[in-house]
Amino acid sequence: NAGVTQTPKFRVLKTGQSMTLLCAQDMNHEYMYWYRQDPGMGLRLIHYSVGEGTTAKGEVPDGYNVSRLKKQNFLLGLESAAPSQTSVYFCASSLSRYEQYFGPGTRLTVT
Amino acid sequence: AQSVTQLDSHVSVSEGTPVLLRCNYSSSYSPSLFWYVQHPNKGLQLLLKYTSAATLVKGINGFEAEFKKSETSFHLTKPSAHMSDAAEYFCVVSAGGGYNKLIFGAGTRLAVHP
Repeated sequence: NAGVTQTPKFRVLKTGQSMTLLCAQDMNHEYMYWYRQDPGMGLRLIHYSVGEGTTAKGEVPDGYNVSRLKKQNFLLGLESAAPSQTSVYFCASSLSRYEQYFGPGTRLTVT
Repeated sequence: AQSVTQLDSHVSVSEGTPVLLRCNYSSSYSPSLFWYVQHPNKGLQLLLKYTSAATLVKGINGFEAEFKKSETSFHLTKPSAHMSDAAEYFCVVSAGGGYNKLIFGAGTRLAVHP
């Protein structure tokens, strides 16, 4: 039982490049989330999904897209990376009204 | 609207002394509250949760928190700090809604000195 896993762990992009971050969970959770963490700001929700085939915007969705084609996977895409997207990205999953379980994070640097 | 305020951005204690990390919340209804811990370069791990059962909640690694509705507080305590407790701690309130929205505090960095 791996819990929540994220791929890759680290990535460096140049401005304008694109990439996809993959999140996978093996707990059969319905809800999945993408957050970004920046110093002194806690975690901010980017996008979330309440089930396979559904996605919705969180607090800071601009510049990101997501897809949930399979229940266990939640993908976060950056179509044209900007330096402001340098951050640590966390994926999480949960049952409907319980605590969220977090992955180990992806550290992204955009130069 | 729900919000959470962690009253200290940094706390420093000596090994073996008590730990107190303070958290106040604002909620228009009876909230669910959580404390998460994040060790350096790691993900967030759930320490404990309050979901309207007992007001004194025990968590992992000897931590506990007390829900005080009259004071709108949910402070985290531990009787005796260990070097391995050095980490960042987040107080979190559930905002409810259709997708289990969580609102995070800004975090408290705990340093433990020998």
